[in-house]
Amino acid sequence: NAGVTQTPKFQVLKTGQSMTLQCAQDMNHEYMSWYRQDPGMGLRLIHYSVGAGITDQGEVPNGYNVSRSTTEDFPLRLLSAAPSQTSVYFCASTSAATEAFFGQGTRLTVV
Amino acid sequence: SQKIEQNSEALNIQEGKTATLTCNYTNYSPAYLQWYRQDPGRGPVFLLLIRENEKEKRKERLKVTFDTTLKQSLFHITASQPADSATYLCAPKAAGNKLTFGGGTRVLVKP
Repeated sequence: NAGVTQTPKFQVLKTGQSMTLQCAQDMNHEYMSWYRQDPGMGLRLIHYSVGAGITDQGEVPNGYNVSRSTTEDFPLRLLSAAPSQTSVYFCASTSAATEAFFGQGTRLTVV
Repeated sequence: SQKIEQNSEALNIQEGKTATLTCNYTNYSPAYLQWYRQDPGRGPVFLLLIRENEKEKRKERLKVTFDTTLKQSLFHITASQPADSATYLCAPKAAGNKLTFGGGTRVLVKP
């Protein structure tokens, strides 16, 4: 099993560009989440999903969009990148009342 | 609003001693609480889960306690080793679907 796979690992964007961070899991988990982590800080929840077709906002959703068309995939879209979105992004998946599995992260720099 | 607090100051400890980390939460009624380890540049990795009706949980050199009256969890690393140096994150989980984390405490074990 691959677990949770995130792509790309690194990305540099110019201000105003859009892009999609990919996240896929092969564990048939119903719950998937996106977090951002800034230097020296914990994980902040951006968006999450409890199943295909169902998404909800976390703590810091502004500037990001998500969709969940399949159980396996949960892409995160940056609509118009800003320097404040420079961060490391983690995707996680979990089943009810069990541990969360995290991807390796995407390090995004917006210049 | 819901809040999760971990000591943001790094914990420096001598090899062989016990490291004790604290996780306090407010405006939460977690059904269970999880602890994760995060190494630099990597995603968090699950360590332990303790349920609200459990006072204590152990796994090898790790011990977690959960006091729902004090709204606090303590995480102990006994006989600490330099390989235990990492950031440790707590995640109280209430009913519902969001999984949110404290800011983490960095532990540095010196030989």
